[in-house]
Amino acid sequence: DAGVTQSPTHLIKTRGQHVTLRCSPISGHKSVSWYQQVLGQGPQFIFQYYEKEERGRGNFPDRFSARQFPNYSSELNVNALLLGDSALYLCASSPTDEQFFGPGTRLTVL
Amino acid sequence: RKEVEQDPGPFNVPEGATVAFNCTYSNSASQSFFWYRQDCRKEPKLLMSVYSSGNEDGRFTAQLNRASQYISLLIRDSKLSDSATYLCVVDDSWGKLQFGAGTQVVVTP
Repeated sequence: DAGVTQSPTHLIKTRGQHVTLRCSPISGHKSVSWYQQVLGQGPQFIFQYYEKEERGRGNFPDRFSARQFPNYSSELNVNALLLGDSALYLCASSPTDEQFFGPGTRLTVL
Repeated sequence: RKEVEQDPGPFNVPEGATVAFNCTYSNSASQSFFWYRQDCRKEPKLLMSVYSSGNEDGRFTAQLNRASQYISLLIRDSKLSDSATYLCVVDDSWGKLQFGAGTQVVVTP
């Protein structure tokens, strides 16, 4: 069975640009969450979506936005990139309370 | 104060030995608890859920102490492949996972 997939795997952007990251959940999972992991820290919660509705939002600025599509895939958008946005962005899908992570997108902002 | 705190380690463990470490959490309303394992530059993978009565999965034993708000993980008969960062994870009541910064375990031959 296919796990959570994310694209792209790596991305390099410059300050001020915007980026769109994509996630496809495990088949049958209706909930998708996004996390940011900076080197040396644990993942930090950004968003959770369930059935296309936002269920929760972490302590991130409005430059971060997301959406979920009818097929339960999701996009994370970040505008006006800052150097501090460089991180591994993880997507997780869940059937209930256990979450399963994708391999992540490694974003570097120069 | 961080919502989930862990000793970063590293815990250097001889192969075959036992290692144990804890994490503490601040939100007394937290409902679900997990240990995830993360290898270098890889995604976190669920190791085990943690139940109030304590639970065991092979060489791994997890305990939850709600009164003191801490969770523990014990690894018996450590293998070289157990070398990883172990993330303590607490689920707020509406499904927002709070991660600790991780405890690094290094198993040596």
